[in-house]
Amino acid sequence: GQQLNQSPQSMFIQEGEDVSMNCTSSSIFNTWLWYKQDPGEGPVLLIALYKAGELTSNGRLTAQFGITRKDSFLNISASIPSDVGIYFCAGRHPDDKIIFGKGTRLHILP
Amino acid sequence: GAVVSQHPSRVICKSGTSVKIECRSLDFQATTMFWYRQFPKQSLMLMATSNEGSKATYEQGVEKDKFLINHASLTLSTLTVTSAHPEDSSFYICSARGFPQGGEQYFGPGTRLTVT
Repeated sequence: GQQLNQSPQSMFIQEGEDVSMNCTSSSIFNTWLWYKQDPGEGPVLLIALYKAGELTSNGRLTAQFGITRKDSFLNISASIPSDVGIYFCAGRHPDDKIIFGKGTRLHILP
Repeated sequence: GAVVSQHPSRVICKSGTSVKIECRSLDFQATTMFWYRQFPKQSLMLMATSNEGSKATYEQGVEKDKFLINHASLTLSTLTVTSAHPEDSSFYICSARGFPQGGEQYFGPGTRLTVT
């Protein structure tokens, strides 16, 4: 099925660094969502974005809904060890169906 | 709030048998529940969408006779994998959407199915 283009696929960073990841699509979405998945667990909703241009923060996380409605980014500031995991973007079509990106795997180097 | 549980968390079954996975919304009423499948290091792929009291809507390529979905109440949906084969081994995740949780999908912890 259709998937979003999420990049990067994986990141290796030092603790304390800032992280940035993004998603792009050829389709317009009404809603952009960002989830985090830990190994062997289900995804947990981090941020939901509902309006083009919207910038929303959740603690050290900040996400934006692109003006064209075809892209979104997620930033994590001052990364800590518990930020390790897989981050998925997801876009919701007008028909309510949610499409997931392939994920960004965040690794923090000791 | 917005807690979704799944049972069992892990199951191993023999080829040819059927397995039932339960998904429950614990603190809200789920008007819609979704079932996803996730292969190792892959993204989530939607299998089907079910509304309470209605037949599930399956995604293209998903066999409805093999993956039986029941959404009999606003807090429970079940996925039954019938006549399971090793290729059905996967991580199955449900999500629930309803009110008053703002309408977003909240995911269960997943069920690891291994068919031997």
